[in-house]
Amino acid sequence: GENVEQHPSTLSVQEGDSAVIKCTYSDSASNYFPWYKQELGKGPQLIIDIRSNVGEKKDQRIAVTLNKTAKHFSLHITETQPEDSAVYFCAAMYTSGTYKYIFGTGTRLKVLA
Amino acid sequence: DGGITQSPKYLFRKEGQNVTLSCEQNLNHDAMYWYRQDPGQGLRLIYYSQIVNDFQKGDIAEGYSVSREKKESFPLTVTSAQKNPTAFYLCASSIQAGGRGQYEQYFGPGTRLTVT
Repeated sequence: GENVEQHPSTLSVQEGDSAVIKCTYSDSASNYFPWYKQELGKGPQLIIDIRSNVGEKKDQRIAVTLNKTAKHFSLHITETQPEDSAVYFCAAMYTSGTYKYIFGTGTRLKVLA
Repeated sequence: DGGITQSPKYLFRKEGQNVTLSCEQNLNHDAMYWYRQDPGQGLRLIYYSQIVNDFQKGDIAEGYSVSREKKESFPLTVTSAQKNPTAFYLCASSIQAGGRGQYEQYFGPGTRLTVT
């Protein structure tokens, strides 16, 4: 069935280093892949997204890459800062009859000062 | 949180009682969603609505009910039939349910429900 796998579940990096989070989706018909940042006790915030007709998208220190053939996409955060510490979720939008978003299980990122 | 409000932030109920969680948006979005989030897990879809007076069950709809009488409101009722209701509940909305290439989904601040 529809599934999104996300790795790793936790990630610790030194301030200034890069962080990479990877997700794999199951339905080749999926065409939209957002990334969310969730801080403790708050709702997820959309930080970047990518559509299936694009291979890479950048927004300042964050970027997302998509490999449609392998059905995986990744979030890259460069020059990490303590305020980047949060839980990050990937998602894939499925359009099989109706529009649904399937989420990964999240990655807890800790940026160590 | 992008014009989506959820109230209250914390809610406590006794087992056996129904409880309704509020979700309001002023973004003029057609589609609205309810998710449940448990520790260490992703977001699981409870119900969603693509248009007023219409809604569909998500992956974990048992023990929940919704209504969509107004475009801006999508309340969720957690019934006594829900076996494990304690969780963090998130409401979201999008312009349309994927129509015309406008896929972005935005979340409210969430309601933490505790049932004892």
